[in-house]
Amino acid sequence: QVQLQESGPGLVKPSETLSLTCSVSGGSISRYYWSWIRQPPGKGLEWIGYMHHSGSNNYNPSLKSRVTISLDTSKNQFSLKVTSVTAADTAVYYCARVNSGSNYLAFDIWGQGTMVTVSS
Amino acid sequence: DTQMTQSPSSLSASVGDRVTITCRASQSISSFLNWYQQKPGKAPELLIYAASSLQSGVPSRFSGSASGTDFTLTISSLQPEDFATYYCQHSYTNPWTFGQGTKVEI
Repeated sequence: QVQLQESGPGLVKPSETLSLTCSVSGGSISRYYWSWIRQPPGKGLEWIGYMHHSGSNNYNPSLKSRVTISLDTSKNQFSLKVTSVTAADTAVYYCARVNSGSNYLAFDIWGQGTMVTVSS
Repeated sequence: DTQMTQSPSSLSASVGDRVTITCRASQSISSFLNWYQQKPGKAPELLIYAASSLQSGVPSRFSGSASGTDFTLTISSLQPEDFATYYCQHSYTNPWTFGQGTKVEI
């Protein structure tokens, strides 16, 4: 059974870089697309982007200039970096697997989420 | 961007009720529409993908349908564990976006 677990600092200073890692167990990262989603406190969900082991990626244009998602197949992990953070980046960050078919792309497995606060 | 508009934003219901939540896309998204359930403090869980396909392990009281750019999630007989917030999400074009959520309360 595939499981995902986020890890990283819970507090980041404004203007610095937010870095999170998602560890994948029970399955290989060398399949599927892998994605990050975030949820500000009390608000809805925002898709950040995804990455495939082939190197294919796609980012939300609202964040594209500040976001990088990368995969480490040797560690079966993928990571998120968000540069120049502000208070607006405060959120619960989820990693998720993207399952796909001819007529769908869906987040079928999620990590438990990790809260990141941007504050000095 | 394709906007996803959910209605209602919240609803009150009782155990055993039939509940319907609607999601309207601002443009065509084919069948690239998914539904998730989120309980407080937990990650969302996939209920329906491709507009009407039931995710493995999800009870059959959940169903999804589509008509053009209008999508519907139906819970045929609400159970106590179904009180949660429900989100629709499209994955047709970049950026993938979520609806604002529908909170189902007692």
